Amino acid sequence: DVKVTQSSRYLVKRTGEKVFLECVQDMDHENMFWYRQDPGLGLRLIYFSYDVKMKEKGDIPEGYSVSREKKERFSLILESASTNQTSMYLCASSSTPTGLYEQYFGPGTRLTVT
Amino acid sequence: LAKTTQPISMDSYEGQEVNITCSHNNIATNDYITWYQQFPSQGPRFIIQGYKTKVTNEVASLFIPADRKSSTLSLPRVSLSDTAVYYCLVEGGNTPLVFGKGTRLSVIA
Repeated sequence: DVKVTQSSRYLVKRTGEKVFLECVQDMDHENMFWYRQDPGLGLRLIYFSYDVKMKEKGDIPEGYSVSREKKERFSLILESASTNQTSMYLCASSSTPTGLYEQYFGPGTRLTVT
Repeated sequence: LAKTTQPISMDSYEGQEVNITCSHNNIATNDYITWYQQFPSQGPRFIIQGYKTKVTNEVASLFIPADRKSSTLSLPRVSLSDTAVYYCLVEGGNTPLVFGKGTRLSVIA
């Protein structure tokens, strides 16, 4: 069974803090993705990566950066957290160059920025 | 920009068959149609994927007409545990998934 784990289920941070969200997958998948989910807006893609040290911007990359130093780990970084980044953050991985086969999602991190 | 259009919400009674239709008028030749299910406080979960005609698995059936401009997810005899948000996506060889807002299915006892 594919397992995607995220470092925290719930996180509370203050405005201006630097925030790291970690995601680890155990199936040697090439592709990893970060989404955020907000009520009424569905899932929106922030960044994705097709390989180690590679990254591509998604639909809403502003205010975020990512790091992929190892194949199994994909980190989302909020350089200076703001209240409008309060959201549910979901990480996913898949085994093909894009998303043609199923994406496996982690349980999500609910981030609150106060 | 989501490539699909689906109803925002649907209600059904337990034991009924539920059909959720999705429109994807601009589907490309190499695009597949994929459906995901999401329960509250969980990440989405893959349900079914198809290219044309009909696909069936232990969870659902997917009906795709010849022009492929729409598709229908069919859930047989739903139960309360099928209450979830269902996402329809089209995906090709070189683009990541684009999730729309999904269809919120509420199953009533």
